[in-house]
Amino acid sequence: QQQVKQSPQSLIVQKGGISIINCAYENTAFDYFPWYQQFPGKGPALLIAIRPDVSEKKEGRFTISFNKSAKQFSLHIMDSQPGDSATYFCAASVRQLTFGSGTQLTVLP
Amino acid sequence: DAGITQSPRHKVTETGTPVTLRCHQTENHRYMYWYRQDPGHGLRLIHYSYGVKDTDKGEVSDGYSVSRSKTEDFLLTLESATSSQTSVYFCAIKEVDLSSYEQYFGPGTRLTVT
Repeated sequence: QQQVKQSPQSLIVQKGGISIINCAYENTAFDYFPWYQQFPGKGPALLIAIRPDVSEKKEGRFTISFNKSAKQFSLHIMDSQPGDSATYFCAASVRQLTFGSGTQLTVLP
Repeated sequence: DAGITQSPRHKVTETGTPVTLRCHQTENHRYMYWYRQDPGHGLRLIHYSYGVKDTDKGEVSDGYSVSRSKTEDFLLTLESATSSQTSVYFCAIKEVDLSSYEQYFGPGTRLTVT
């Protein structure tokens, strides 16, 4: 049973556009929601994370929006750049991390 | 990279052979994890350790065992490799403090079982 559902599976955005990746979870005990960025041949790298007591967190061009009542959270990448092209994973944790299935983002120049 | 190394980085082995993957960390973190990454599944937890000789199973532990005899090393063993264990394996450590539970990943080991 997949506890964290991520969409879309792939996303193509023009340079300068906004990339939006969505995740939905089932377990209301989750208390930590990170996003990871992974480039080919590399391990996932922590990008940004949020706790359920806030509705939004912003770090540079990256923003997490969190909707506790809907059990959904999303990653917004503003002014997307070709260097942002990577696979993005959402995750949720109560003690261990449960990952979404990933979104392959391509930003066209 | 949080001082995490994995060895080997690539391995091809035959069905039925034993395989051991090593994760080494240099920063004395208590928690260490082994994940596998497969297309369409994200990362799935195999086993984790919360201290020397303290380990527990994750979501996909069947066919895998682990050992941690030193803080810095966490070994993952496939006793008899099968083709379904062809995957990319990642080790991770967790930094624990009052405000975060961040996990940091190693560079991965690509294992092919023929």
